[in-house]
Amino acid sequence: AQSVTQLDSQVPVFEEAPVELRCNYSSSVSVYLFWYVQYPNQGLQLLLKYLSGSTLVESINGFEAEFNKSQTSFHLRKPSVHISDTAEYFCAVSEGGDSSYKLIFGSGTRLLVRP
Amino acid sequence: GAGVSQTPSNKVTEKGKYVELRCDPISGHTALYWYRQSLGQGPEFLIYFQGTGAADDSGLPNDRFFAVRPEGSVSTLKIQRTERGDSAVYLCASSSISGNTIYFGEGSWLTVV
Repeated sequence: AQSVTQLDSQVPVFEEAPVELRCNYSSSVSVYLFWYVQYPNQGLQLLLKYLSGSTLVESINGFEAEFNKSQTSFHLRKPSVHISDTAEYFCAVSEGGDSSYKLIFGSGTRLLVRP
Repeated sequence: GAGVSQTPSNKVTEKGKYVELRCDPISGHTALYWYRQSLGQGPEFLIYFQGTGAADDSGLPNDRFFAVRPEGSVSTLKIQRTERGDSAVYLCASSSISGNTIYFGEGSWLTVV
């Protein structure tokens, strides 16, 4: 069965510092990988996704994630964070093909950006 | 509307009561999903509709939970004989038939007292 592990429940960081949010998954089949973000009092929003092709994917607001099949990881990175990046970040995985609709989420990492 | 709409946004009910939660997906989206998010956890899959039919209801925790989508658009999640353990945020999401991006609503916060 698939599972997603986000080891860090909270990551405090100063503004303009780099950050990495870790995500590891377990699956016996090929997968699609996602990062969702939940800002305070808002719904989940898709940040970026890996379906196939280039293993490095980027979002419009400066985040990037790299699919590493050998390490079964999909860590999220940003070279310089802003106060507005403070949010809960969820990593998710789904199987490809007919089961691609079912997302399995990690428990989330709260990114707290301090001035 | 522009996004997935869920009502009510907050619901407090007494143990043993019946609850309905409504979801209005993005116009034109044929796929609809329900997830449940307990405090401190990520969302957990409940059920997936393709059109009017439930294509996968394997995530429903027991037979007190039921969901319908009679006309292939709006969906209602129904919970009978609510228990305190049912307290959670119930998230609805939708996607186009050919897309892989799933769009979530803001959720319905259910508290069972």
